[in-house]
Amino acid sequence: DQQVKQNSPSLSVQEGRISILNCDYTNSMFDYFLWYKKYPAEGPTFLISISSIKDKNEDGRFTVFLNKSAKHLSLHIVPSQPGDSAVYFCAAFSQGAQKLVFGQGTRLTINP
Amino acid sequence: DVKVTQSSRYLVKRTGEKVFLECVQDMDHENMFWYRQDPGLGLRLIYFSYDVKMKEKGDIPEGYSVSREKKERFSLILESASTNQTSMYLCASSLGYGYTFGSGTRLTVV
Repeated sequence: DQQVKQNSPSLSVQEGRISILNCDYTNSMFDYFLWYKKYPAEGPTFLISISSIKDKNEDGRFTVFLNKSAKHLSLHIVPSQPGDSAVYFCAAFSQGAQKLVFGQGTRLTINP
Repeated sequence: DVKVTQSSRYLVKRTGEKVFLECVQDMDHENMFWYRQDPGLGLRLIYFSYDVKMKEKGDIPEGYSVSREKKERFSLILESASTNQTSMYLCASSLGYGYTFGSGTRLTVV
């Protein structure tokens, strides 16, 4: 029972263009959604989050959009840079369970 | 300024060995977690703890146990290592939804 799903295992984008990573969830009780970035041989690092009562949050080149009716969120990176090449994990948090549930991850490759 | 420290970056163990993975955090967090990361499967929760001497099973606890004798330390134990436990193991501590991860331990069981 995968509550958080990232259906694209990989994505390749040209440097300078927009990267869009997608995530779907099934549990309407989640309170927060987060994106983590992970380089090989390192732990995941927090990138950006959004509360379930918002539909958009922006931080520099990174914007997260939440569509609650569709149970879908996306991460936009504009413009994409070579250093953005990493695995991106979508995660969801509920206050009741007090733990994060992660998606499978999407490997983003930015081509020069 | 390292905040969550995992004792080993790389480990190679033999099948049947008892393996200890140690994690220490210096942020005074109540909550600590152990995940494993496998390609195509994402991060899967093994065990977690909300307080000293408290532990809860995650989604894949079979073959693992944990120990939390002090607030800052959370240990993962593989009672009898098997080859299907070859993986990247990640420890995290949290305050609410703000998780901080360690650098991970790449465990290979041969």
